[in-house]
Amino acid sequence: AQKVTQAQTEISVVEKEDVTLDCVYETRDTTYYLFWYKQPPSGELVFLIRRNSFDEQNEISGRYSWNFQKSTSSFNFTITASQVVDSAVYFCALTPYNTDKLIFGTGTRLQVFP
Amino acid sequence: DTGVSQDPRHKITKRGQNVTFRCDPISEHNRLYWYRQTLGQGPEFLTYFQNEAQLEKSRLLSDRFSAERPKGSFSTLEIQRTEQGDSAMYLCASSFIVVKDTEAFFGQGTRLTVV
Repeated sequence: AQKVTQAQTEISVVEKEDVTLDCVYETRDTTYYLFWYKQPPSGELVFLIRRNSFDEQNEISGRYSWNFQKSTSSFNFTITASQVVDSAVYFCALTPYNTDKLIFGTGTRLQVFP
Repeated sequence: DTGVSQDPRHKITKRGQNVTFRCDPISEHNRLYWYRQTLGQGPEFLTYFQNEAQLEKSRLLSDRFSAERPKGSFSTLEIQRTEQGDSAMYLCASSFIVVKDTEAFFGQGTRLTVV
């Protein structure tokens, strides 16, 4: 089965706090691709990052960082020093090798309060 | 080019009616995808095109749903004999190459309400 689980339905933090969004995936493929997308209140999904299964190197982009661990089938996303503009729903997604569709998790709603 | 455009943004229809949505992808994007998102859920894959060829269709997709992409440019998604369970946000996305190798650009969606 190909599946993405985001166990955290909603997280609330105060501005400047660090927050980690969890993502656990299931696939039998050895080659696969993982993504994070952000969905602000406007509704338009915005791409954040793509990672293939052979690249376990963690990545940092400004206040965002991603931790990919194949041993635990996890691809977690951390926002450092959160800001009100980070408030959105965040989706983790998986693309198996033999298809080009995104399989999304149920999303985590992040609310950052001033 | 300002991004992926979807029309209409909102549609209210009576149960049993047919509806059609349009998606205009970013020009020069070969791949076009349709997803459906219900409240509190992640987007669910419906179908995708490479130019005008429909390459994959979700097994969950009822025969009442059909999508086309004539001439490999814009796409339409038609739902026949709508049911209340069809109420959802219908999202279109496009990408220049396969989405596993790049980012997909999403439109703002068409919100369908079946009454």
